[in-house]
Amino acid sequence: DVKVTQSSRYLVKRTGEKVFLECVQDMDHENMFWYRQDPGLGLRLIYFSYDVKMKEKGDIPEGYSVSREKKERFSLILESASTNQTSMYLCASSLPGTSGNIQYFGAGTRLSVL
Amino acid sequence: DQQVKQNSPSLSVQEGRISILNCDYTNSMFDYFLWYKKYPAEGPTFLISISSIKDKNEDGRFTVFLNKSAKHLSLHIVPSQPGDSAVYFCAASALKNSGGSNYKLTFGKGTLLTVNP
Repeated sequence: DVKVTQSSRYLVKRTGEKVFLECVQDMDHENMFWYRQDPGLGLRLIYFSYDVKMKEKGDIPEGYSVSREKKERFSLILESASTNQTSMYLCASSLPGTSGNIQYFGAGTRLSVL
Repeated sequence: DQQVKQNSPSLSVQEGRISILNCDYTNSMFDYFLWYKKYPAEGPTFLISISSIKDKNEDGRFTVFLNKSAKHLSLHIVPSQPGDSAVYFCAASALKNSGGSNYKLTFGKGTLLTVNP
């Protein structure tokens, strides 16, 4: 079974703090993704990576950056957290081209910025 | 511009009856469609998918129907069970798109299904 592990289930941070969300997958997938989920807005893609050290902006990259130094690990960084970044953050991974690009998700990190 | 639309934010059905969740898309480049199920405080889990060369795919109680001419797909759950209560996301990908983003999924906003005992 594919396992995608997000380092924290719940986080509470202060406005202006630098926040790191970590994600690790154990299936040697090339592709990794960061989404945020908000009520009524569905899943919105923040950033994705199709290879080590490669990254591309998704639909809402402002205020975020990412790092992929190793194939299995993809980090999301909030450079200076703001209250509008309070959300559920979801990491996913996939093998390109398999069965329609099925993505496997972690359990999510519920981030609250106060 | 939303390329994948789930126009019903919520749906309520009785246990044992059929649940039908609908999804419309606008991008004719999409050639693979997926359904995900999400419980609160958990990540989405893959449920079922369909290639654009098919019009139906079945897996146990779950069947997905694709109408390419109408750019419409639906997920049928029969019989519905209380444990099926969750948010269901429709997603689409363009595997044959050579534009460089053929590994992305485009998600709808989700439909909250409630199955009442």
